[in-house]
Amino acid sequence: DAGVIQSPRHEVTEMGQEVTLRCKPISGHNSLFWYRQTMMRGLELLIYFNNNVPIDDSGMPEDRFSAKMPNASFSTLKIQPSEPRDSAVYFCASIQGGSGGARGELFFGEGSRLTVL
Amino acid sequence: GENVEQHPSTLSVQEGDSAVIKCTYSDSASNYFPWYKQELGKGPQLIIDIRSNVGEKKDQRIAVTLNKTAKHFSLHITETQPEDSAVYFCAASKSFQKLVFGTGTRLLVSP
Repeated sequence: DAGVIQSPRHEVTEMGQEVTLRCKPISGHNSLFWYRQTMMRGLELLIYFNNNVPIDDSGMPEDRFSAKMPNASFSTLKIQPSEPRDSAVYFCASIQGGSGGARGELFFGEGSRLTVL
Repeated sequence: GENVEQHPSTLSVQEGDSAVIKCTYSDSASNYFPWYKQELGKGPQLIIDIRSNVGEKKDQRIAVTLNKTAKHFSLHITETQPEDSAVYFCAASKSFQKLVFGTGTRLLVSP
């Protein structure tokens, strides 16, 4: 399997613009997570889905952030309008449901580095 | 909610030495404690994990110990090699689905 695939790998945009980050989880994984990584706050869970349904979005910083999972193989994280403080690396991760496989392993993508000027 | 503290934030060792990274957690209901390694420009990758019914687990040069009473767990790397240089994260969870990560330890192994 190709692993978790994220796009774009790098995004530079100006304040006020809409940003859409995309994720394709590993086939067969039914839970998907969006994390944000910054130097100041480390790895923060933003939202996660089980079977395409949002379960916990308590980590979403504010209404400017939204996430969708229209089907089992695709998810988006949207920021509208973007602000400089949104600059971070955004990771998507997936895991099998239940016991999560042999080790309960959460598989991360390589991340999308967002810079908002 | 769960809070995970991790120390040290940076650790420099000579090749062949051992490295120890320590974490504490706050929620006594947490029962799953994984460790992730993040190399530059990559996403974190699971290297070892332990569940609360086990006190110690070993996988070649890496081992994790868990003290439930004190609510702390540690990662031990023996015979360190330059390729062990990376950022290491501990995490705690009551399930596999909502990991709370520590702030990370940057390990540098010098040849």
